[in-house]
Amino acid sequence: KQEVTQIPAALSVPEGENLVLNCSFTDSAIYNLQWFRQDPGKGLTSLLLIQSSQREQTSGRLNASLDKSSGRSTLYIAASQPGDSATYLCAVNWITGNQFYFGTGTSLTVIP
Amino acid sequence: DGGITQSPKYLFRKEGQNVTLSCEQNLNHDAMYWYRQDPGQGLRLIYYSQIVNDFQKGDIAEGYSVSREKKESFPLTVTSAQKNPTAFYLCASNRWDSPDTQYFGPGTRLTVL
Repeated sequence: KQEVTQIPAALSVPEGENLVLNCSFTDSAIYNLQWFRQDPGKGLTSLLLIQSSQREQTSGRLNASLDKSSGRSTLYIAASQPGDSATYLCAVNWITGNQFYFGTGTSLTVIP
Repeated sequence: DGGITQSPKYLFRKEGQNVTLSCEQNLNHDAMYWYRQDPGQGLRLIYYSQIVNDFQKGDIAEGYSVSREKKESFPLTVTSAQKNPTAFYLCASNRWDSPDTQYFGPGTRLTVL
């Protein structure tokens, strides 16, 4: 069964810290992987999309990496800010499928 | 402004009643999707439609129905057959040539009383 797992479920850090969010998936035959941000009671906003052939993608203070062989992706947030507080979701699009499969998310709180 | 709108934001339903959630987009997107999100869980796909008058079941379609009579509209009906309908419902859309770039609506929170 194809599954996406995110650990930890919740994370609190003081402002200014660098942090890493983890995403693991069960089948390495992926088409691409995407990181989303969700604010409470809101829809999702795409942060970074990594294609199967790529190792990482960067946008501002965010860097996402992909290691297909180990079935893992990480989202690195540099110099965290209170405005980064949100739930971060990882979604995988497998080659054999035609939809994104979402992880359970990591709820991040950045403490001023 | 272009985007996806969902209405209402909050919806309350009595047990045994059908209820319809609205999703409208003015992005001229071909594909539209309905997801369900429960606390502590990721999004799960209910139904999706890639063209007008055509739609496919997702992983958890039982107890739900949809229609796609117009390109910009993809309403979701939660029927009385859905045993646990209380959840947050998200609609999304994308262009046919950019399937990886999904735009999400703000969501509807459905509560069964």
